[in-house]
Amino acid sequence: QVQLVQSGAEVKKPGSSVKVSCKTSGGTFSSYVISWVRQAPGQGLEWMGRIIPILGIPNYAQKFQGRVTMTADKSTSTAYMELSSLTSDDTAVYYCARETSGGLIFDYWGQGTLVTVSS
Amino acid sequence: EIVVTQSPATLSVSPGERATLSCRASQSVSSDLAWYQQKPGQAPRLLIYGASTRATGIPARFSGSGSGTEFTLTISGLQSEDFAVYYCQQYNHWGTFGQGTKVEVK
Repeated sequence: QVQLVQSGAEVKKPGSSVKVSCKTSGGTFSSYVISWVRQAPGQGLEWMGRIIPILGIPNYAQKFQGRVTMTADKSTSTAYMELSSLTSDDTAVYYCARETSGGLIFDYWGQGTLVTVSS
Repeated sequence: EIVVTQSPATLSVSPGERATLSCRASQSVSSDLAWYQQKPGQAPRLLIYGASTRATGIPARFSGSGSGTEFTLTISGLQSEDFAVYYCQQYNHWGTFGQGTKVEVK
């Protein structure tokens, strides 16, 4: 059974960075594509970008270009998402999700990581 | 960017009745449309992809239809566990989600 387990909640100061991890198990990590989706409190879902671990190639949503870095460590089957220059608008639950072979369709999700940005 | 709009924002339905949710894309996405269910405190759950194909383990009371820019999710015979927020998502050009429809008990 595929599982995605994310790192714990974070509290950050404005202007700082946060790095969230997503450890996968139960499948072949190198064959995955991992996306990151965030959800502000009481709001909808927002796709941030994706990483293809076998290639190490990321694709970012335009909104986050220059501020987000997505990486993957094949040795530990873990994907990472780092977001910099944090503001209060970045307070959200951040999810990692596995894409199916059909494209940006997300069949398995992590449990979510709450990132709170507050002075 | 393709904008995805869902309606209504909230749908009040009695258990056992049918719920019809709508999703519109700002330009054609062919059949590259998925539906997710999200309950409070949980990650979204994939229901439908390819506009009409149920994901593994999804009950037959969930059905999707549409193509191009207009899509519908129908839940027939609503059960207690179906009261939740539903999101549609286009994946024809990267991925954008609608703002969600909350299905609540009438």
